[in-house]
Amino acid sequence: DQQVKQNSPSLSVQEGRISILNCDYTNSMFDYFLWYKKYPAEGPTFLISISSIKDKNEDGRFTVFLNKSAKHLSLHIVPSQPGDSAVYFCAASAGRGSTLGRLYFGRGTQLTVWP
Amino acid sequence: DSGVTQTPKHLITATGQRVTLRCSPRSGDLSVYWYQQSLDQGLQFLIQYYNGEERAKGNILERFSAQQFPDLHSELNLSSLELGDSALYFCASSGVAGGGQNIQYFGAGTRLSVL
Repeated sequence: DQQVKQNSPSLSVQEGRISILNCDYTNSMFDYFLWYKKYPAEGPTFLISISSIKDKNEDGRFTVFLNKSAKHLSLHIVPSQPGDSAVYFCAASAGRGSTLGRLYFGRGTQLTVWP
Repeated sequence: DSGVTQTPKHLITATGQRVTLRCSPRSGDLSVYWYQQSLDQGLQFLIQYYNGEERAKGNILERFSAQQFPDLHSELNLSSLELGDSALYFCASSGVAGGGQNIQYFGAGTRLSVL
């Protein structure tokens, strides 16, 4: 049962343009969401997170938007750079306390940024 | 470098065999998580330990077991291996990122090939 879904396996964007990666979830208990980036032969690297009490979080070129009513979040990268080419995973957690619980991951979206 | 160390990086073995994957969390992190990533799949949670005690369990097969030792390193034992166990196995530990977010830091993974 896939509780976090990334329906686009791949996305191709020109350098300098905006990349928008989407993620949907089904479990209304999720209250914390994270995006990870993964290069080949490396582990996932944390990018940005958002708590369910917010609808937007920004960090440099990366912005995450959360729409709780639609159970949807998106990651915007602007401007996109060739070094952003990687697999992006959306992840969610429920009942976050002082220790982060298990993460539920989507299947990932391969972003390719071409010059 | 996430600070999470996994060994070995690659493991090739035969069906029916048993292997042990090792993980050293970031210094000071008490929680260790194990995830499995099969081909074109997202990361699937296996098990979490906190300060030596099992904290949460996911879809971990009975042939798999894990433990966390007093020095906080963890081992994932996979026995009676089958072809379908071929996957990337990631270990993570949880901590606070620079921006104050509670996140999981991932190791580079162990690629297991069962022939």
